[in-house]
Amino acid sequence: DVVMTQSPLSLPVTLGQPASISCRSSQSLVHSDGNTYLNWFHVRPGQTPRPLIYKVSNRDSGVPDRFSGSGSGSNFTLEISRVEAEDVGLYYCMQATHWPMYTFGPGTKLEIK
Amino acid sequence: EVQLLQSGGGLVQPGGSLRLSCAASGFTFSSYALSWVRQAPGKGLEWVSGISGNGKMTYYAETVKGRFTVFRDNSKNTLYLQMNSLRVDDTAVYYCSSGYWGQGTLVTVSS
Repeated sequence: DVVMTQSPLSLPVTLGQPASISCRSSQSLVHSDGNTYLNWFHVRPGQTPRPLIYKVSNRDSGVPDRFSGSGSGSNFTLEISRVEAEDVGLYYCMQATHWPMYTFGPGTKLEIK
Repeated sequence: EVQLLQSGGGLVQPGGSLRLSCAASGFTFSSYALSWVRQAPGKGLEWVSGISGNGKMTYYAETVKGRFTVFRDNSKNTLYLQMNSLRVDDTAVYYCSSGYWGQGTLVTVSS
């Protein structure tokens, strides 16, 4: 099974400052079709998970451009250029390359300092 | 706008059954594989089951294989998860997902 790890697990950030979350997989996430199905999503307390990034670097509909994803192979990063108050919550990376079995990172908790 | 609206869930005794539903809108339902994912209290996210767009292929985590059944009705744009022989460790919030996510529904297995 593919194991996903994230760091840091806790991320205190000052409003307006950048933030970065790392995600690593135990196997390459490059699919045989050439795509890399690494997604990021955000969960605010008590709310539905909201997709942010799909296939490493593509923003989902309505996601602000302060969010960006990068990486390749088994090493990925989510960056927020300027953190806003609404960005608090948990951030998860998730691999869908090895469908049907999704696997998830443990989550990174972003809070405002 | 993509929406996944879940229903079902609740409190059930060990050994009991429940059916979860996930009604979709805003996308071509039959074109998408779908999954069920759960999160037990204090634990991480766990993939539970997946189903192909036409419903012919189904997949299960080892922890639920033989007890849970995933199916879909593409004429109703609805995904289902039939859960039988429920155990205490099946207690979790269950989500349906197409990449977008349902709102989650709590399943509590307790005597």
